[in-house]
Amino acid sequence: DIQMTQSPPSLSASLGDKVTITCQASQNINKYIAWYQQKPGKAPRLLIRYTSTLESGTPSRFSGSGSGRDYSFSISNVESEDIASYYCLQYDNLWTFGGGTKLELK
Amino acid sequence: QVQLKESGPGLVQPSETLSLTCTVSGFSLTSYSVSWVRQPSGKGPEWMGRMWYDGDTAYNSALKSRLSISRDTSKNQVFLKMNSLQTDDTGTYYCTRDWEGLWDYWGQGVMVTVSS
Repeated sequence: DIQMTQSPPSLSASLGDKVTITCQASQNINKYIAWYQQKPGKAPRLLIRYTSTLESGTPSRFSGSGSGRDYSFSISNVESEDIASYYCLQYDNLWTFGGGTKLELK
Repeated sequence: QVQLKESGPGLVQPSETLSLTCTVSGFSLTSYSVSWVRQPSGKGPEWMGRMWYDGDTAYNSALKSRLSISRDTSKNQVFLKMNSLQTDDTGTYYCTRDWEGLWDYWGQGVMVTVSS
């Protein structure tokens, strides 16, 4: 089974900051990584698929990159509505989530 | 419009079997696959298993020995059964519609508590 190691587990940012989250897969996942946002009491929302493809409705301040085993997700100019938890998900071989990153306001 | 709704008992005794139903509308189970995803309180989500549009199934290897997913296409329902429940199975259980390998629609989720 593919394991996903996500870091950091938590992040504190000021409005307008740029933040970056990383995920490392236990093997090459061929860019089949997605990023989800989750707010309390809600189901996760898909933001980015296939490493860097933004879903319809995802603001352009969100971005993703990477290849092989190493991937990153960034939010430039953090806004208050971005305060949430974020999860990476590999879907190259079945599906495995990363452990999550909780983004808080500094 | 596309909708998924989970139903089932909110409380299950330890060692007993969990039975959940996902009732879908707005799409056909013979055209789209449906997955179950669970989330322990305060933790990240975990993919549990998938009912493919053609009736095949796939399971998370960590749950495979306890888990069974089936469907009734005439009723637009997908079923989850998981046995030998323990307290760490407590959490919110979601059914999701699969699209291009990912999940575009989610149910509202059903909270399941394992406790005596």
